[in-house]
Amino acid sequence: NAGVTQTPKFQVLKTGQSMTLQCAQDMNHEYMSWYRQDPGMGLRLIHYSVGAGITDQGEVPNGYNVSRSTTEDFPLRLLSAAPSQTSVYFCASSYARLANTGELFFGEGSRLTVL
Amino acid sequence: KNQVEQSPQSLIILEGKNCTLQCNYTVSPFSNLRWYKQDTGRGPVSLTIMTFSENTKSNGRYTATLDADTKQSSLHITASQLSDSASYICVVSPTSGTYKYIFGTGTRLKVLA
Repeated sequence: NAGVTQTPKFQVLKTGQSMTLQCAQDMNHEYMSWYRQDPGMGLRLIHYSVGAGITDQGEVPNGYNVSRSTTEDFPLRLLSAAPSQTSVYFCASSYARLANTGELFFGEGSRLTVL
Repeated sequence: KNQVEQSPQSLIILEGKNCTLQCNYTVSPFSNLRWYKQDTGRGPVSLTIMTFSENTKSNGRYTATLDADTKQSSLHITASQLSDSASYICVVSPTSGTYKYIFGTGTRLKVLA
């Protein structure tokens, strides 16, 4: 099993550009989520999903959109990139039936720089 | 406000030595507390999990303890190896808030030969 796969690993954008970070998991997890990791701060939840067709906001959702059309995929869209969105982004999945007691399985991260 | 604070921020030790990382939390009530290891440039990986009723949990050279009265957890690493160089993150799952996890800022450990 590949686990959680994120692409791209690195991306440089100009302010105002849009892009999509891809996330796929092959563990049949119902719960998928996106976090951003910034220096000196803990991982912060952007959006999450507990199943196909169901998404909800985390603590820092502004400037990001998500959709969940399949169990496997959970893309994160940056609508109009800003320098404040420069960060490392992690996708994570878990068994939703365990709510937040489940172990989170993380992807390798996507490092985004917005100029 | 639910918070998880870790100390120290960074730590340097010699190979073969032991060390202890601290996690103080205000999350209450909570269902479990996990320690994750994050190698540089990689995603975090779970090391241990403890429910609120457990006091200690081991995973090889890693031993986590939990004191629910003082709201403290520690991660003890025995006979450190160069491969232990990483960030260690304490994560608490509150009972309320369904799918929310509260992350600490991590301790960056460097093991020197």
